Amino acid sequence: ETGVTQSPTHLIKTRGQQVTLRCSSQSGHNTVSWYQQALGQGPQFIFQYYREEENGRGNFPPRFSGLQFPNYSSELNVNALELDDSALYLCASSLGATNEQFFGPGTRLTVL
Amino acid sequence: GENVEQHPSTLSVQEGDSAVIKCTYSDSASNYFPWYKQELGKRPQLIIDIRSNVGEKKDQRIAVTLNKTAKHFSLHITETQPEDSAVYFCAASRSSNDYKLSFGAGTTVTVRA
Repeated sequence: ETGVTQSPTHLIKTRGQQVTLRCSSQSGHNTVSWYQQALGQGPQFIFQYYREEENGRGNFPPRFSGLQFPNYSSELNVNALELDDSALYLCASSLGATNEQFFGPGTRLTVL
Repeated sequence: GENVEQHPSTLSVQEGDSAVIKCTYSDSASNYFPWYKQELGKRPQLIIDIRSNVGEKKDQRIAVTLNKTAKHFSLHITETQPEDSAVYFCAASRSSNDYKLSFGAGTTVTVRA
């Protein structure tokens, strides 16, 4: 069984730039959720993709967008980066839209 | 939306002692309560979870209790070991469209040898 993987591991961007983060779900899982974890805080739900459709969204502005591909991998895109976007971005996969979610190692994004 | 509060924010225990972390939630419709352990620089790992139709669940040295009436749940770690040192997060979720997890702010547990 293959676990959840994310790329890149680290990323440094400047304000106003755009970034794309990638996630491959655990083998057999068809749902990917994205979370933002600021330093010293718990993860905050951004959105979820189920069967290639957005299936719920947290309190994040539209400049946070995503995609899910037929192989269930997913991308998180953030436009017009702000300093406060600096965080660890985690994706979690699950089988179906269920509670039990398994996390990837995260992408550490630093916005300068 | 759901609001999860977690206490304490830091916890230092002597090796072999027990550690208890408590969380409260606001949404009475929440019915799934997982606990994640996150070591420095690593991914959150699911260590135990409980659903609202169960009051207590145990897995070796780890147990979780749930009081639906009071809307709180707790993680109990017995016979703590140095490898238990990590940040622990509680979360709550309802069986809704997206099953999103609402997390507490985390508890940093340090086990002193």
